[in-house]
Amino acid sequence: DAKTTQPTSMDCAEGRAANLPCNHSTISGNEYVYWYRQIHSQGPQYIIHGLKNNETNEMASLIITEDRKSSTLILPHATLRDTAVYYCIVRVANDMRFGAGTRLTVKP
Amino acid sequence: ETGVTQSPTHLIKTRGQQVTLRCSSQSGHNTVSWYQQALGQGPQFIFQYYREEENGRGNFPPRFSGLQFPNYSSELNVNALELDDSALYLCASSLFAEGIQYFGAGTRLSVL
Repeated sequence: DAKTTQPTSMDCAEGRAANLPCNHSTISGNEYVYWYRQIHSQGPQYIIHGLKNNETNEMASLIITEDRKSSTLILPHATLRDTAVYYCIVRVANDMRFGAGTRLTVKP
Repeated sequence: ETGVTQSPTHLIKTRGQQVTLRCSSQSGHNTVSWYQQALGQGPQFIFQYYREEENGRGNFPPRFSGLQFPNYSSELNVNALELDDSALYLCASSLFAEGIQYFGAGTRLSVL
């Protein structure tokens, strides 16, 4: 079973920041939080991951709360091509346990 | 482009048949993981292969089996196909013990 809870869907206006929340209240101290996204009919694409510090790369920023029970993925300037299902994953051993994810729709 | 290639792209089989799906991992990667994704759901972990041996398995019956070859490519075999096996099958490659997995585009299997 997935160890994360995400909203089913979200909308965002093009050019605005998209903030996608994720709850992982049972996360263990050595488990990382990963974010992937899946555009229709393609394989999941890696976005970013972190342990306890905030992380930023060319695609997004990841904010993890101090107690590590939740995190937020931030797409700073969403485009129409960012429309996808976004998965927040707590890595358990060797597998990525995907939940149902958040369907983000970026609107013009 | 992740460098992970899967074949075939689409496949149609009938119930009771057997199927083999193939995956070529990204250059330099030594670990392959397989996932099943039913329509409208997130991918579900089937198993992982490292050093040509199974290294972790999800909640899938023994009729789902795999192989990894010395060049790190991999096969997923499913025997006695059932209608519920209809799904997108995803392969992901990685370096062992590193968390980032890179996915292929998948094989769409339809069981009639």
